[in-house]
Parts: sequence; C-alpha cells; structure tokens
Amino acid sequence: EAQVTQNPRYLITVTGKKLTVTCSQNMNHEYMSWYRQDPGLGLRQIYYSMNVEVTDKGDVPEGYKVSRKEKRNFPLILESPSPNQTSLYFCASSFPQGEAFFGQGTRLTVV
Amino acid sequence: KQEVTQIPAALSVPEGENLVLNCSFTDSAIYNLQWFRQDPGKGLTSLLLIQSSQREQTSGRLNASLDKSSGRSTLYIAASQPGDSATYLCAVRRGSARQLTFGSGTQLTVLP
Repeated sequence: EAQVTQNPRYLITVTGKKLTVTCSQNMNHEYMSWYRQDPGLGLRQIYYSMNVEVTDKGDVPEGYKVSRKEKRNFPLILESPSPNQTSLYFCASSFPQGEAFFGQGTRLTVV
Repeated sequence: KQEVTQIPAALSVPEGENLVLNCSFTDSAIYNLQWFRQDPGKGLTSLLLIQSSQREQTSGRLNASLDKSSGRSTLYIAASQPGDSATYLCAVRRGSARQLTFGSGTQLTVLP
C-alpha cells in the first residue's frame, strides 16, 4: 500500500530536549516536505527536499533541521524544542508537480 | 506571494443536498490544485488533483473545477452524506513546484 508513515503519532516532551520525528514514504517520490498546522494559521511549510541531499527552507524553518540521506526518509529534528513548537506536524511526498500524499500527523506538545 | 482563500469557513447542510465549496487564489501561475479532506485529529486525504491545463476532475460524487484565469476552483459534492462531514482544504502548487500553499479550509457538517 502506498503510504507516508510518520512516527511517533503523539509526543510530549520538555523544553530543550532534542527530538526527531521520522517520515518514510514507499512511493519513490523525489519531493518530500514538512508542514505544521496551527489553529488560525493553517498549514505552513517548514522544510522541503527535492531529492537526496537537496533540502531548502520553507516558510517557517526557524528551530528545525532536516536531512535527506535516503530517498524514502526525511526526518524532522528539533534540537532544542520550545513551547511555541507545540503543533500538529505533517510529512508529505510527491513526484514533481504530482499529487501530494500526507502522513497521519504527529501531535507534539512541548512543556 | 500566493494567497489561498476558502469560503465559507463553515457550512452545515441536511443529508442529500448538493453543495459547492469555493477556493480562490491570487497568483494564476500554478502547476496544479489539489483538494483534501481532513477528519478531526487526522491526516489529510487527497480527493482530487487538477493540473493547470485541466478544467475539471471527477471522482464518484465529487467534481472539482479549475478556472486558472480567474483564480478559482470549486468542489461540488453531490447527494451529501453524514460521512462527508470533515474539513475540506484546497492547496495550490506554486510556479516553483516546491511547495503547496493551503487555504484555511471549509468545515462541512452534513446533518442526518
């Protein structure tokens, strides 16, 4: 089954404790992205990757890091999480100009 | 900068009614437009993708249209059912093709 898999689905952490949210897709897509969804602000892109070892900032990259060492994986790293990063996070993948597929989301709470 | 607007923000209809959701965007230089549904606390499910060269796409009871020149898209849902209750989001893929710009969504409630 074609899918984008994120882990974990739910995460509660404390300020400053490094964490990684994993994302994996099985569709051989070149493009992968991370979005965050906040009430009243909608979905905003954090980082994107056009292929292995090619990443770039989206609209709200501050406080996040990404890497793309393999085509199927695109982890999101928060090296020093803060409460304003409490949000619902989505990973997405697609072929260039193709249909975007989203993961089920990771609900992160930073206390 | 591309801006995407969805009207109305919320809509409540009785079961069986046909309905139209609207999406408008400010920059017509798009590659495609995609409609999604999102159930509470869940991920985004892709409904329809319309490439910029297309005028409409259909899937079951859903029909999406695109008028790039006027910056508008509509999602038509026929014979609505309570299971259609969700938030519907439209997103346009920008000219750079690198990201999607989302509208704020229309929250649809279909009453039994």
